[in-house]
Amino acid sequence: TQLLEQSPQFLSIQEGENLTVYCNSSSVFSSLQWYRQEPGEGPVLLVTVVTGGEVKKLKRLTFQFGDARKDSSLHITAAQPGDTGLYLCAGPRGGNQFYFGTGTSLTVIP
Amino acid sequence: NAGVTQTPKFQVLKTGQSMTLQCAQDMNHEYMSWYRQDPGMGLRLIHYSVGAGITDQGEVPNGYNVSRSTTEDFPLRLLSAAPSQTSVYFCASSAWQFSGNTIYFGEGSWLTVV
Repeated sequence: TQLLEQSPQFLSIQEGENLTVYCNSSSVFSSLQWYRQEPGEGPVLLVTVVTGGEVKKLKRLTFQFGDARKDSSLHITAAQPGDTGLYLCAGPRGGNQFYFGTGTSLTVIP
Repeated sequence: NAGVTQTPKFQVLKTGQSMTLQCAQDMNHEYMSWYRQDPGMGLRLIHYSVGAGITDQGEVPNGYNVSRSTTEDFPLRLLSAAPSQTSVYFCASSAWQFSGNTIYFGEGSWLTVV
């Protein structure tokens, strides 16, 4: 069982549609991060959320940290083909370990 | 800007062979780690290090060894390769613990064990 479960695992949508990706855990995290990974490359940090209930916006991307700091969501408005990639949530555990979620593979069709 | 550099990019091994994946970072980061990425599993932590001379196990350490003799380098050794170790391996580094710190990744090493 993964510490961080993401849903859906795969998502294929048309350009211009909205979508939400979820990251859930039974454990409390002091912070959560979201990364995007493109084929053939390593993940790149998008955002860090630290406070329960926190909402951060990055252009058309909105990130929210759950009140209990056990879950997070990523909402994309008017998706574009450039948003295609693997989205990973991640968080610290036990001080020195950093765990990643199972990932959501997003394809935006022009 | 080098960042985190991994070599080799691609490798094919026979079952039972050993090899070392190299990782180097030029950002003077104390924290370095190795992950493997498999379909539907996200990234799973193999080993990590919080500084030169200090290493520890992550979620999936069996079959792998690491050492950290310098701040810059963190090689990952496969002792006796098995088909289950076919995966994409990522090395990563961070300034220190994670409260808002960015983790920087290498470009990955694709390993196939036949």
